[in-house]
Amino acid sequence: KAGVTQTPRYLIKTRGQQVTLSCSPISGHRSVSWYQQTPGQGLQFLFEYFSETQRNKGNFPGRFSGRQFSNSRSEMNVSTLELGDSALYLCASSSLVGAAYEQYFGPGTRLTVT
Amino acid sequence: GENVEQHPSTLSVQEGDSAVIKCTYSDSASNYFPWYKQELGKRPQLIIDIRSNVGEKKDQRIAVTLNKTAKHFSLHITETQPEDSAVYFCAASGRGGYQKVTFGTGTKLQVIP
Repeated sequence: KAGVTQTPRYLIKTRGQQVTLSCSPISGHRSVSWYQQTPGQGLQFLFEYFSETQRNKGNFPGRFSGRQFSNSRSEMNVSTLELGDSALYLCASSSLVGAAYEQYFGPGTRLTVT
Repeated sequence: GENVEQHPSTLSVQEGDSAVIKCTYSDSASNYFPWYKQELGKRPQLIIDIRSNVGEKKDQRIAVTLNKTAKHFSLHITETQPEDSAVYFCAASGRGGYQKVTFGTGTKLQVIP
């Protein structure tokens, strides 16, 4: 099976702009989660989508939003970018194995806000 | 919500020695504890996991132990090799079948040849 893919891999934006990142999960995986990774804060959970519904949400401002399509592909959007939004954004797709989800990460999108 | 603490933040060992990374969690309903390895510039990769109905799991040179009573779990790497150098993250999942994974802050492991 093909792994999790994310596009674009690198992005440079200016403060105040908005950005949309895309994630294609492993075929058959219905759950997609998004994380922000920064050197100081580690891996921070943004949100998780399952069958087009947001099932869990982390503690990020409303500028961060997402959605999932019927083919399980997911997008996340960040509006009114701030310098502090510079980070590696990782998505992960999951499948239920027994009573728990096993999660596999994509390569990430490196966002730089100037 | 769930809180996961991970120690140490950095760890240096000589090649061939063992390395141990420890994590504690707060939510007694957590039932899934994965460990991820992230090499520089690469994505986190699942290396081993343990479920709450198991106390220990091994896979070649790596093993994970879980103490549900104390709410802590550990990663053990034996006979370390330079390619084990990476950042390791522990994590705990939320209750039931819901997918909300809380990560520890990471341990940077350096294996000195």
